[in-house]
Amino acid sequence: AQSVSQHNHHVILSEAASLELGCNYSYGGTVNLFWYVQYPGQHLQLLLKYFSGDPLVKGIKGFEAEFIKSKFSFNLRKPSVQWSDTAEYFCAVLTGGGNKLTFGTGTQLKVEL
Amino acid sequence: ETGVTQSPTHLIKTRGQQVTLRCSSQSGHNTVSWYQQALGQGPQFIFQYYREEENGRGNFPPRFSGLQFPNYSSELNVNALELDDSALYLCASSLAGGQGAYEQYFGPGTRLTVT
Repeated sequence: AQSVSQHNHHVILSEAASLELGCNYSYGGTVNLFWYVQYPGQHLQLLLKYFSGDPLVKGIKGFEAEFIKSKFSFNLRKPSVQWSDTAEYFCAVLTGGGNKLTFGTGTQLKVEL
Repeated sequence: ETGVTQSPTHLIKTRGQQVTLRCSSQSGHNTVSWYQQALGQGPQFIFQYYREEENGRGNFPPRFSGLQFPNYSSELNVNALELDDSALYLCASSLAGGQGAYEQYFGPGTRLTVT
C-alpha cells in the first residue's frame, strides 16, 4: 500500500530563515503530488502540486517543491519564512486512479519573530 | 464561487449511536471525497462519490457509508459509533475529468466527539 512519510514533525524557525520540509512516498506507479497547508483555525488549502513536466514546481506565497523521482521525494522549500507561515503542512500523493489522496502525518511549523 | 461547506461544525455523540454529516461541494464540482483526521494525524481517505455512486474506498468498515445527491452534495453516515471515531471529518470536492480531477478542495470539517 502506498504511504507518505514526513520526517519533521515539529519545526521551529526564526523569521527570514530558510525552510525545507521533507516528504517521501512509497508508490511505484505514476503519482500526482501535493502539499497542503492548514493555518490555525482554517481548513486545508492547496499550496502546490506536481502532475508532470518540470520537477520544480512553484506554489503560492513563495513556496516551491522539487520532485525527485529516483528518491521518491517531494520536499517543500521556502527561502525566507515569515511569521504568517506558522501552520501545519501536509504532503500528499494521489493514487487509486485519481480518487484517493494519501497524506503524511504533517509537519507543524512555528515561525518566531 | 462558493467553497466546500460542511455541517454541523461540532457534534457530540454517545458510543453506539449513529451520526450523519453533510457536505456541499464547491460550485461546479461533481465529485466528493470524505476523510477522517484523528488528532495529530494526517487525513485518511474514507471513500469518494461520483455520479451518486461510491468510486473508491479506503480501509474503513462498512458502518461508514455515504450518499451523493443529484446536486452533488453528500452525506457521511457512521453507525454504531465507537470512541475511536472521534475525529475531524473532512469533505473535499473536485471536478472529474482532466487535471481538475486531481485537485481536491477541502471544507472546514466537522469535529465529532464520541463519549
